[in-house]
Amino acid sequence: DAGVIQSPRHEVTEMGQEVTLRCKPISGHNSLFWYRQTMMRGLELLIYFNNNVPIDDSGMPEDRFSAKMPNASFSTLKIQPSEPRDSAVYFCASSSYDLAEEETQYFGPGTRLLVL
Amino acid sequence: QQQVKQSPQSLIVQKGGISIINCAYENTAFDYFPWYQQFPGKGPALLIAIRPDVSEKKEGRFTISFNKSAKQFSLHIMDSQPGDSATYFCAASESGGSYIPTFGRGTSLIVHP
Repeated sequence: DAGVIQSPRHEVTEMGQEVTLRCKPISGHNSLFWYRQTMMRGLELLIYFNNNVPIDDSGMPEDRFSAKMPNASFSTLKIQPSEPRDSAVYFCASSSYDLAEEETQYFGPGTRLLVL
Repeated sequence: QQQVKQSPQSLIVQKGGISIINCAYENTAFDYFPWYQQFPGKGPALLIAIRPDVSEKKEGRFTISFNKSAKQFSLHIMDSQPGDSATYFCAASESGGSYIPTFGRGTSLIVHP
């Protein structure tokens, strides 16, 4: 398996623009997580899905952030409108709670977002 | 509320030395304690994990020590190598609960050659 795939790997945009981050989880995994990583706040869980259903979005900072998972192999995180303080590395991770290593999270390479 | 406190924030060690990173947790329901390793430009990856039924787990040069009564656990890297230079995150989760890991803030380790 290719692991968790994220795109784009880098994104530079201007304040006010819409940003869409994409994630393809590992095939067979039934849970998907979106994290944000900054120097100031470390790794923050934004939202997670179980079997494509959003379970907890309490980490989503504002209404400007939204996430969807239309099927088991694809998820998006959208920021509209984007602001400079959204600059961070955004990670997608997936896991499967049917396997022996049930709590292991497999992270993608991340999307480095810079909002000017 | 930070449920998993990790220290130190940064660590510099000479090649061949021992690196020690400590974590403390508050939620006594946590029963799975993984450590993740993150290299620059990459996502975190599971390094080693422990459950509270054992006090120590060793995999190669990496050892987790677990103290249930003190609610603390630590990562020891023996014979540290420059290739170990990375950011290390401890985490804790509750199998019977939400199973979502709570991560520490991370420790940036630099091993000098």
